[in-house]
Amino acid sequence: EAQVTQNPRYLITVTGKKLTVTCSQNMNHEYMSWYRQDPGLGLRQIYYSMNVEVTDKGDVPEGYKVSRKEKRNFPLILESPSPNQTSLYFCASATRGLDEQYFGPGTRLTVT
Amino acid sequence: SQQGEEDPQALSIQEGENATMNCSYKTSINNLQWYRQNSGRGLVHLILIRSNEREKHSGRLRVTLDTSKKSSSLLITASRAADTASYFCATNQAGTALIFGKGTTLSVSS
Repeated sequence: EAQVTQNPRYLITVTGKKLTVTCSQNMNHEYMSWYRQDPGLGLRQIYYSMNVEVTDKGDVPEGYKVSRKEKRNFPLILESPSPNQTSLYFCASATRGLDEQYFGPGTRLTVT
Repeated sequence: SQQGEEDPQALSIQEGENATMNCSYKTSINNLQWYRQNSGRGLVHLILIRSNEREKHSGRLRVTLDTSKKSSSLLITASRAADTASYFCATNQAGTALIFGKGTTLSVSS
């Protein structure tokens, strides 16, 4: 089954404690992206990757890091999480032309 | 950079009625896509319309695109309670990113 998986689905952590949210897709997609979704603000893109070893900033990259060492994986790293990063995070993947993005189930992160 | 803006922000209708939501955008696009999100879940792709197309249908969905006005509309005919969700438009600019709007929340009551 074609899918994008994210782990963990829920995470409560404390300020400053480094964390990684994993994302994996099994569709051999070149394009992968991370979004955060906040009430009233819609989806905002954090980082995206057009292919292995190619990453670019989205609209809200501050406080986040990503890497794309393999085509299927695109982890999101919060080196020093802060409460303003409390949000619902989505990973997505697509073919090169971005004709359709497939979304993961989301990771609800709470930073206290 | 918010590209697509949906209107209205919220819409409440009865089952069987049609639901129309609109999307406006600012710059030239390759295509425009509509997605659906059930509460707190991942978005699901509904339909894509390319910049050289004016109208597209998929089941009970009808999408129009007016590039001169930089706007699109999504029509859901004969709505069902299961259509209750948030709907987002997303614009594809030069194939490098999809820019999402803030969404329209549709509530269909039986």
